[in-house]
Amino acid sequence: DVVLTQTPVSLLISLGGQASISCRSSQSLVHSNGNTYLHWYLQKPGQSPQLLIYQVSNRFSGIPDRFSGSGSGTDFTLKISRVEPEDLGVYHCFQRTHNPFTFGSGTKLEIK
Amino acid sequence: QVQLKESGPGLVQPSQTLSLTCTVSGLSLTSNSVSWIRQPPGKGLEWMGVIWSNGGTDYNSAIKSRLSISRDTSKSQVFLKMNSLQTEDTAMYFCARGSGYREDYWGQGVMVTVSS
Repeated sequence: DVVLTQTPVSLLISLGGQASISCRSSQSLVHSNGNTYLHWYLQKPGQSPQLLIYQVSNRFSGIPDRFSGSGSGTDFTLKISRVEPEDLGVYHCFQRTHNPFTFGSGTKLEIK
Repeated sequence: QVQLKESGPGLVQPSQTLSLTCTVSGLSLTSNSVSWIRQPPGKGLEWMGVIWSNGGTDYNSAIKSRLSISRDTSKSQVFLKMNSLQTEDTAMYFCARGSGYREDYWGQGVMVTVSS
């Protein structure tokens, strides 16, 4: 199974600051169709996960441009700029390229 | 709008079978997949399995022998059945719509506790 390693485990960021989260895969996430199915979710306290970024770098509907994704192959990054109070929660990466699909272990973002 | 809602018993006894229902609206089960994902208290997310738009299924190999996912398209419902439950199966269980190779809308989840 594909293992996604997320770092750091937790982040303490000041309001207005920038956060960066890494997600590294144990194997390439390039699908046989040429696309890369690496997505990012935010799980706010007491809520279900919400899709932020799909296919590495595409923002989902309604997601502000403060959120950006990048990467290729096995290394991926989520950046959050101008951090706001509503950004706190746990960020999860998820690969949908190889069955079984797998999640990273999560990164908890706390606001100073 | 797209909505998914999980339902089922909050408490299951060890060794028994868990049965959950995901009722959807605003989407067609013959055009979308539905995945089940679970999250033990304080832990990460685990993808359990999927029922595809054509009715085929795929399961996480770690729980494949205990898991079954099915659907009733006329009722817009997807079902999860997992047998031989143990305390480590205590978790929040979510269903999520799959569209375009991504799970984009999730239900609120249902908490299941395995305990005697």
